[in-house]
Amino acid sequence: EAQVTQNPRYLITVTGKKLTVTCSQNMNHEYMSWYRQDPGLGLRQIYYSMNVEVTDKGDVPEGYKVSRKEKRNFPLILESPSPNQTSLYFCASSLFLNTEAFFGQGTRLTVV
Amino acid sequence: GIQVEQSPPDLILQEGANSTLRCNFSDSVNNLQWFHQNPWGQLINLFYIPSGTKQNGRLSATTVATERYSLLYISSSQTTDSGVYFCAVSQMRNAGNMLTFGGGTRLMVKP
Repeated sequence: EAQVTQNPRYLITVTGKKLTVTCSQNMNHEYMSWYRQDPGLGLRQIYYSMNVEVTDKGDVPEGYKVSRKEKRNFPLILESPSPNQTSLYFCASSLFLNTEAFFGQGTRLTVV
Repeated sequence: GIQVEQSPPDLILQEGANSTLRCNFSDSVNNLQWFHQNPWGQLINLFYIPSGTKQNGRLSATTVATERYSLLYISSSQTTDSGVYFCAVSQMRNAGNMLTFGGGTRLMVKP
């Protein structure tokens, strides 16, 4: 089944403890992206990648890192999480920019 | 950047009723998608519809790109249709930004 898979689905962590949210797609898509969703602010893009080893900042990149060493994987790294990074996170992929995008199931992160 | 506005922001329906959700965007787009966010938070693809009309069961969508709007029709609504409906667009010249989302329409269908 064609899909975007994120893990974990739920995570509660403490301030400053490094964490990684994994994202994997099995559709051979070139383009991948991370979003966060917050009440009243909607969905905002954090980082994106147009291909392997090519990543760039979105609208809200502060406090996050990404890497794209393989086409299928695009992990989101929080080196030192803070409470303002408590949010619902989505990974998405599309064949190319401006083609249909598919989203993962979401990761609900709480930083205390 | 491009602005995406959805209306109405909230909608309450009785089961079996029909509804129309609207998405207006401020500039030309190359991609337009409709999503349903279910009560568990998952974003479900409904339509990829940069122009024209598509139907999928009780749902259909129409995008009039020249007039910068899209409509999502829900017929014979069911309680499982509850959730938030998002319209999202992208532009070829806005390299990098996969999708810009509207604010959503929160739908509640009562039994």
